[in-house]
Amino acid sequence: GQNIDQPTEMTATEGAIVQINCTYQTSGFNGLFWYQQHAGEAPTFLSYNVLDGLEEKGRFSSFLSRSKGYSYLLLKELQMKDSASYLCAVKNDYKLSFGAGTTVTVRA
Amino acid sequence: GAVVSQHPSWVICKSGTSVKIECRSLDFQATTMFWYRQFPKQSLMLMATSNEGSKATYEQGVEKDKFLINHASLTLSTLTVTSAHPEDSSFYICSARDRPAGGGEQFFGPGTRLTVL
Repeated sequence: GQNIDQPTEMTATEGAIVQINCTYQTSGFNGLFWYQQHAGEAPTFLSYNVLDGLEEKGRFSSFLSRSKGYSYLLLKELQMKDSASYLCAVKNDYKLSFGAGTTVTVRA
Repeated sequence: GAVVSQHPSWVICKSGTSVKIECRSLDFQATTMFWYRQFPKQSLMLMATSNEGSKATYEQGVEKDKFLINHASLTLSTLTVTSAHPEDSSFYICSARDRPAGGGEQFFGPGTRLTVL
C-alpha cells in the first residue's frame, strides 16, 4: 500500500520561510513531486526529485532522502499569493500517489 | 508548456442521470491520461489510467461500469459518470502525459466540479 503523510495546516508571515515535510512508505519509488493547488483549481507542478539532495528553483526548494522516505518543500520570501495547498506525490512506475496536502496560510 | 483543458468546469445534475466530462491535451499528444477524484480537504485519488486506443485500467474499488472512460484519440479522453448519485459529487481532475508508461511529467486539467442533487 501507499502511505504519504504531510501536516494538515501551516501558517506563516509574509516574507518568512516555511518548510513542509512529507514522509512516505510506498511499495515502489520512481521520484517525488511537489504540486501547488489553489482552492477549486488543478494542481500545478513545483518540483521533482528522483535522487537524494536539494533541488532549488527560485523561491522554492525541495529535498529528498530516499533512505529515510522523507522530503521537504521549502518556501522562501513568502508572498500572499503562496497561500494554497501543497501536495506531495510519490511516483511508482507511472502512477502518482498523493498526500492529503498541506494548507499554507500566509498572513500580512 | 503543455496545456490540458477540461469541459465542463462545473456541472449540476439530478440523481440518476449521466454526466460526461471531457479532457483534452491542447498542444501535445497524450498517449496516457489519468482521471482523479478529490473530495473536500482530501487527497487526489487516482480512479483510472487510460491509454489511447485501449481499455482503461481502473484502481481497486472504482466501478468500471459506473465510470466509463473512453480515450479514442491522442488528444481526448472522456469520463462518463453513469446514474450519478449525491455521493458521486466531487472534483474530478484529469491529467495527461505525452509518453507511454514510464517517465514523463503529468499535466493537470483545471478540474470539473460535479454536484449531484
